[in-house]
Formats: sequence, structure tokens, C-alpha cells
Amino acid sequence: SQQGEEDPQALSIQEGENATMNCSYKTSINNLQWYRQNSGRGLVHLILIRSNEREKHSGRLRVTLDTSKKSSSLLITASRAADTASYFCATVNNYGQNFVFGPGTRLSVLP
Amino acid sequence: DAGVIQSPRHEVTEMGQEVTLRCKPISGHNSLFWYRQTMMRGLELLIYFNNNVPIDDSGMPEDRFSAKMPNASFSTLKIQPSEPRDSAVYFCASSLGGGSYEQYFGPGTRLTVT
Repeated sequence: SQQGEEDPQALSIQEGENATMNCSYKTSINNLQWYRQNSGRGLVHLILIRSNEREKHSGRLRVTLDTSKKSSSLLITASRAADTASYFCATVNNYGQNFVFGPGTRLSVLP
Repeated sequence: DAGVIQSPRHEVTEMGQEVTLRCKPISGHNSLFWYRQTMMRGLELLIYFNNNVPIDDSGMPEDRFSAKMPNASFSTLKIQPSEPRDSAVYFCASSLGGGSYEQYFGPGTRLTVT
């Protein structure tokens, strides 16, 4: 089974709205990473959050991590049409290995 | 830096043929990853190298798949013989050091086996 599971599988919002995606995992982690993939392209790294961190920001992105619930969330504020993409979380175990990507959330931002 | 470079970008081959995918990681990165992405199975890690040494190849599907990293600037993923179920997009990624750092992905190779 997938270590990281994103939720929802698909999300459609209007430009300007906020988008929230969640990721749940099963085992202890060293860090959790969020990536974006535009259609037909490779993945692009967004944010890495370590197990001893609770929140990180990068521009319009905010990532939280709750290790007690084994979950993370990615918030995109003031969404733009250009944010339309698939978003993946990836977990890394305590040995810095075992990279497991979830199935992703497909985000559509309508103009 | 040009980023991670993969070749070819597209490959169409017949079942039974040998396929070789190539990757040049970002200069200075110590770790290299090969992934496979399909609609059915999502993004799967096939193999991970650190300092040119395979660390984890548990994701390699079967003996038909092999990967090498002869030096820090080049890696290959070979499928021999290829089968239609190998059709997928294959990504190469590199990072400064294993899972502690973000990975930089190449554009991928779209493989179609007929």
C-alpha cells in the first residue's frame, strides 16, 4: 500500500480561492516533501519539512506536519490558473531512504 | 546548470527489443534516482544510487531491468527484453545527498512498447 496518500484525489476551485491538500502516511519519517507536476513534465520540488518541524512557508505555500497523526497538509493561498497541476507528497524514512510518493491530488484552478 | 538531462525523450520499440534510457544528473549531486510513472501504479522508485553505488534496488520489477552508474555524471536504465507492460514514463532525479535533500527531476522518457 502507499506510504503517502493524498486527499482529495481531485480538487477544482476558482482563481483566488485557497486550495488545501492532505497527505497521510503510515510509518515514522525523516522528512516529507511536496512536489508539483504539470501535465507531461517532470516533478518540481516545492517544500521539504523535517520530522521535528511543524510548519513551513514558501511564498503562497504553507505546509504543516503533524507526526502524531502522521499527516501533512499543503495550502496554496490565492490560487492562480498557473497552479493547475498534480501535487504529490513523498515520505522519506528515518534512514533517509525509502522514497514513497502518493498517488497525487489533481488541482484545477478555473479562471 | 542545465538540470537533469534524460535521453531519449520518447522511445517506441517492439516487444522483445532492448531499451536503454540515459540520465545525466546535476553536477555535484551525489544521489541519483530512477522512477517509473504509470496511471495505474503512480510514481514508483526503481533504484537509488549514492556516490555511484546502488543503495536500494528493491523497486526494480524483475531481472529484465538493470541500472548502472559508471561515474558521477552518467547513469543508464536498461530493459531487456522489453514488454508492453513496461510502457510508462521513466524519470531520473538527482539530489545533493539521499533523502535529506530535495530531488530534481528530469523531463522523463516516455517509453512505448508495442
